[in-house]
Amino acid sequence: EVQLVESGGGLIQPGGSLRLSCAASGFTVSSNYMSWVRQAPGKGLEWVSVIYSGGSTYYADSVKGRFTISRDNSKNTLYLQMNSLRAEDTAVYYCARGHSSGWYEDWGQGTLVTVSS
Amino acid sequence: DIVMTQSPDSLAVSLGERATINCKSSQSILYSSSNRNYLAWYQQKPGQPPKLLIYWASIRESGVPDRFSGSGSGTDFTLTISSLQAEDVAVYYCHQSYSTPDTFGQGTKLEIK
Repeated sequence: EVQLVESGGGLIQPGGSLRLSCAASGFTVSSNYMSWVRQAPGKGLEWVSVIYSGGSTYYADSVKGRFTISRDNSKNTLYLQMNSLRAEDTAVYYCARGHSSGWYEDWGQGTLVTVSS
Repeated sequence: DIVMTQSPDSLAVSLGERATINCKSSQSILYSSSNRNYLAWYQQKPGQPPKLLIYWASIRESGVPDRFSGSGSGTDFTLTISSLQAEDVAVYYCHQSYSTPDTFGQGTKLEIK
C-alpha cells in the first residue's frame, strides 16, 4: 500500500526557514516523479515544485530561488527546504506521487506551514 | 502558463440529480502524438487531501463509482456526476499536466440542494 507522510510544518516568522519531509512507503521515491502542492487556507491547489526520476527539478515562479526540492533515496524520503518565508507561503503543503503522464495518484495528508510574526 | 477556469464556482444539486462541472484550459492540452488529453479531476472533502477521480479526461480511476464520468477534448472538459449522493459533497478540481508548471482550476464547491 502506498503511503505518504509529511512532517516539518509549524509556525515560523517571516524570513525564517523550514524543511518539510515526506516519508514514502509502498513504492520507491527515486523511481517516480514527486511534487509538492500547497493549499492556502480556504483556497485552491497550487503546484510548488517537482523532482523527476532523473533528478531534474522545477519550481513555481512564486518560490523559485527560495525553495529547494530534494530526495534521499536511502530514506525513501522527499524534502522541501523553504527559505526566506513570507506570509503568502502560509498553506497546507502536500507531497504527491505523480504518474508518468502527470496526474497525481497519491497524496499525503499534508503539513501546515504558518508564516506569521 | 496554462490557465484552467472552472464553472460554476459553486453548485447545489438535489440528491439523485445530475451535477455537471466545466473546465476550460487557455490552450489545448491534447497531445496529438498520443491523442490523449492531459486533464485530471480530483475530489477534495474538508480536512482531506485531494483524491484522483478521472485521468486522461475520461478514464475513471480504479475504485471510483461509475456515476462519475469525464468528457471533453482540447480545451473544454466536463465532469458529470450522474446521480448525486450525499457523500459527493466536496470541492472538485480540474488539473492539467500537459506542460510545466502544471496548473489547477480554482475549484467548484458542490453542495446538496
